[in-house]
Amino acid sequence: EAGVAQSPRYKIIEKRQSVAFWCNPISGHATLYWYQQILGQGPKLLIQFQNNGVVDDSQLPKDRFSAERLKGVDSTLKIQPAKLEDSAVYLCASSLNRGTGELFFGEGSRLTVL
Amino acid sequence: TQLLEQSPQFLSIQEGENLTVYCNSSSVFSSLQWYRQEPGEGPVLLVTVVTGGEVKKLKRLTFQFGDARKDSSLHITAAQPGDTGLYLCASHGSSNTGKLIFGQGTTLQVKP
Repeated sequence: EAGVAQSPRYKIIEKRQSVAFWCNPISGHATLYWYQQILGQGPKLLIQFQNNGVVDDSQLPKDRFSAERLKGVDSTLKIQPAKLEDSAVYLCASSLNRGTGELFFGEGSRLTVL
Repeated sequence: TQLLEQSPQFLSIQEGENLTVYCNSSSVFSSLQWYRQEPGEGPVLLVTVVTGGEVKKLKRLTFQFGDARKDSSLHITAAQPGDTGLYLCASHGSSNTGKLIFGQGTTLQVKP
């Protein structure tokens, strides 16, 4: 079974530029999550989708971050304009259903903002 | 919002030593998960504990859930260099959204 796919693996941009990350979850997984992980820290949830609807985006900086999950499958996370403090790894995860189940993570997209 | 406190934040030990990592909350956990993350990869689930007082073993790793379901520990016996990584506890808390909240993690380095 294929895992969670993310791209790009690495991205370097200058502040005020824009960037987009793509995630393809495990087939059949209804719930998709985007987390931000600063080096050496635990992941922080940015947004959670159930199919193509947003369940929780309370910690998403909506003035610069946006995310969508068209057709309830793939998802894109965009940052525009980027700030220095956005340098982090952006992890996508999926689970069969929301609740108490296991989350399956992709390898992450490492963003460096100069 | 439930907060998960992990300790210690960083641990550097020699191969063969034992260690314990702790995860605490002021709120009751509905369930608790432990993940391990290696550099350049996403976290991978090690175990889920649900019942107060529960003990689960995974080879040299022993996971314990507190009786009151407000704390958990991970004990590693005879640590090996392959155990090196970031250990994260996580909980769905009391939210009905399925939102999974992580602790800040414990970075473990096992030197040969």
